[in-house]
Amino acid sequence: EVQLVESGGGLVQPGGSLRLSCAASGFTVSSNYMSWVRQAPGKGLEWVSVIYNGGNTYYADSVKGRFTISRDNSKNTLYLQMSSLRAEDTAVYYCARVMFGFNFVEYWGQGTLVTVSS
Amino acid sequence: EIVLTQSPGTLSLSPGLRATLSCRASQSLYSNYLAWYQQKPGQAPRLLIYGASSRATGIPDRFSGSGSGTDFTLTISRLEPEDFAVYYCQQYDNSPPGTFGQGTKLEIK
Repeated sequence: EVQLVESGGGLVQPGGSLRLSCAASGFTVSSNYMSWVRQAPGKGLEWVSVIYNGGNTYYADSVKGRFTISRDNSKNTLYLQMSSLRAEDTAVYYCARVMFGFNFVEYWGQGTLVTVSS
Repeated sequence: EIVLTQSPGTLSLSPGLRATLSCRASQSLYSNYLAWYQQKPGQAPRLLIYGASSRATGIPDRFSGSGSGTDFTLTISRLEPEDFAVYYCQQYDNSPPGTFGQGTKLEIK
């Protein structure tokens, strides 16, 4: 069974940093397309970042240069390192497994809330 | 960037009725790479439909997707109480990684 469990969310001040983790089970992270998708309170869904099986990455313009997606193959875990955080980064961040060869989400984690506020 | 516009913003219907949700793309999705997701309050989204008309694993057959080019539809043939939720479309024709619509809220009348 595919499972994705996020952790690392919380309250952080503007300009601060946070690292989100996504522990995967039931499949191998490095063999799949993996993504972070976020949802601001009361708003819709927004792609944040994708890492492909070959290691190529994609970032939304809104986070480019501030966020870094990575994976630890030995831990079968996906990460999102977030820095220079802004109030507009406040959202639930979902870890997601993307259908291989395509770009829609097959499986979602339960999400972790990041709040950027002073 | 392809913009997806979903309509209506809110749809109020009674259980047992048919729901028709629309998703219009600002330019043609030549490969009909369109997905639909359902999201209930406090939960993660769930994949319903991909490739415009293919149901995901475990999705009841009362959910169906149709359309091509710029106009796509999600139909729920007979609404069950658990179907009241927010529905998002997402195109992945123009990637990476694609864009989401703004959502349609399906509420109980």
